[in-house]
Amino acid sequence: SYELTQPLSVSVALGQTARITCGGNNIGSKNVHWYQQKPGQAPVLVIYRDSNRPSGIPERFSGSNSGNTATLTISRAQAGDEADYYCQVWDSSTAGVVFGGGTKLTVL
Amino acid sequence: EVQLVESGGGLVQPGGSLRLSCAASGFTFSSYWMHWVRQAPGKGLVWVSRINSDGSSTSYADSVKGRFTISRDNAKNTLYLQMNSLRAEDTAVYYCARDIPLVSSFDYWGQGTLVTVSS
Repeated sequence: SYELTQPLSVSVALGQTARITCGGNNIGSKNVHWYQQKPGQAPVLVIYRDSNRPSGIPERFSGSNSGNTATLTISRAQAGDEADYYCQVWDSSTAGVVFGGGTKLTVL
Repeated sequence: EVQLVESGGGLVQPGGSLRLSCAASGFTFSSYWMHWVRQAPGKGLVWVSRINSDGSSTSYADSVKGRFTISRDNAKNTLYLQMNSLRAEDTAVYYCARDIPLVSSFDYWGQGTLVTVSS
């Protein structure tokens, strides 16, 4: 089955740029989606289809996907961006959804 | 306003059964695929199951295949997850989520319902 690999944690200074990666075999050929989850809350979609932002998501959130790595970029990081972030793809070979293990973002 | 409200969670003994429900409102439920996703305490998101818009097609994670059954009642705008032969490792918050057509990502999630499997 398809696997997605994320770093356990990423730290970023307040106001700087955070990059969270999601690795998978030829992930560039798939649509990658990203979710933000704060403690005690349900996940929120922040990027869909690699680089598209749902309405209400700040422009500071962007995404890219190529080769074996997809990346979520958070510009001008704010304290409120501290959360767990998950990447997700559809695995057509199993007709199922795959999530990455999640990355905890800390804003210093 | 789109709303998804799960119910039916609780404490159940190993080997027992539970049925979760997800009441949908604020959108045309019968037009959307729906999913169940779970999250064990302190762990990451894990996809459980999905069902297409008319209920004719389903798929499951290997970990629940043969034990869980997803279904829906479009007349009642409700999604279900029948969970049988429950194990300790099924302990988690269970979320229902709406699928974005042709995108296979989730734009709306419920607040989750906690299932605890313990003797």
